[in-house]
Amino acid sequence: AQSVAQPEDQVNVAEGNPLTVKCTYSVSGNPYLFWYVQYPNRGLQFLLKYITGDNLVKGSYGFEAEFNKSQTSFHLKKPSALVSDSALYFCAVSDPEAGANNLFFGTGTRLTVIP
Amino acid sequence: NAGVTQTPKFQVLKTGQSMTLQCAQDMNHNSMYWYRQDPGMGLRLIYYSASEGTTDKGEVPNGYNVSRLNKREFSLRLESAAPSQTSVYFCASSGGRGYEQYFGPGTRLTVT
Repeated sequence: AQSVAQPEDQVNVAEGNPLTVKCTYSVSGNPYLFWYVQYPNRGLQFLLKYITGDNLVKGSYGFEAEFNKSQTSFHLKKPSALVSDSALYFCAVSDPEAGANNLFFGTGTRLTVIP
Repeated sequence: NAGVTQTPKFQVLKTGQSMTLQCAQDMNHNSMYWYRQDPGMGLRLIYYSASEGTTDKGEVPNGYNVSRLNKREFSLRLESAAPSQTSVYFCASSGGRGYEQYFGPGTRLTVT
């Protein structure tokens, strides 16, 4: 069975500093991995995904994530945080061997960027 | 190009009442999904439709039914609402395996 863990409910970072939001996953085969962001009272917006290929993937708004198969991790990173990055971030995994395109989400990490 | 639209945006029901949440997408996607979002629990899949004419249960299907009306529309029905169904409901669509899902703005449902 697939699962995703986001070990930090809350991450605080100063504006201009690098940020990391952690995600680890569990699937039986090779995973498809996704990051989404949710702003208050809005739906989820897609940031980036890893399907295959280069372990470092780049996405929207300057975010990137690194797939690490040995550590089963897919941490979200950004070199310099903006106040506007403050939001709720979700990691999600799909198991292509399971036969469906369903996503399993983590419980979310609230990022606060302090001016 | 509106993406994924949902109606209504807000709804208050009394226990035992029924209602249907509507979802439509204009991206010609094959797959559509219904999720509920509860504090501290992330998003949980209620039902999904991999393609027009098919529907399957997700992680938390009890108390819900769905209809894939056509390729564009996927509705979620609560036959007899319960307070435990108080939540924010999101519809999503996707082009298929490996493709990202696009989400609607959500419906905030309160059952008293």
